[in-house]
Amino acid sequence: DQQVKQNSPSLSVQEGRISILNCDYTNSMFDYFLWYKKYPAEGPTFLISISSIKDKNEDGRFTVFLNKSAKHLSLHIVPSQPGDSAVYFCAALTSGTYKYIFGTGTRLKVLA
Amino acid sequence: KAGVTQTPRYLIKTRGQQVTLSCSPISGHRSVSWYQQTPGQGLQFLFEYFSETQRNKGNFPGRFSGRQFSNSRSEMNVSTLELGDSALYLCASSLEWGNYGYTFGSGTRLTVV
Repeated sequence: DQQVKQNSPSLSVQEGRISILNCDYTNSMFDYFLWYKKYPAEGPTFLISISSIKDKNEDGRFTVFLNKSAKHLSLHIVPSQPGDSAVYFCAALTSGTYKYIFGTGTRLKVLA
Repeated sequence: KAGVTQTPRYLIKTRGQQVTLSCSPISGHRSVSWYQQTPGQGLQFLFEYFSETQRNKGNFPGRFSGRQFSNSRSEMNVSTLELGDSALYLCASSLEWGNYGYTFGSGTRLTVV
């Protein structure tokens, strides 16, 4: 049972435009969410996170939105750059468990 | 400072064999987690160690085990390898247990033939 789902395995976006990566979860106990970026042959690197007490967190070009009622979060990258081309994983966890549940990832390709 | 170091980078094993993977966390980090990455399943949590004790465990069979040493280095062992164990195994470290700021290593690519 996939508790965290990224239904789009891939996404292509033109350089300078907005990239929107989506993530859905089923477990209402999740209260902390993270996005990781992964380049080939490297481990994932932490990008941005959001606690369930917020509905938005922004860090430079990256903004994460959380819709608790819909159990949905999204990562917006504006403007998209070719260096953003990578696989993006969303992860969720319940405070106190510290056990990340990852989605299957979305491969983003930013076209120059 | 040096990142999370995983050795070896690549490994080919035969079905039925066993394998040990190693992870050296960032200096000062005391928590080490292990993940399995496969194309269909994404990243799946294996277990987490802190102060030489397993604090969390994912839904993997008992063939998967691990341990952590007093210097925080960790090893993961898979016994009686199956073809389906072929995956990228990632290790992540953090300062303390429960700290969300995990740093991942580059992984060990295990191929079981």
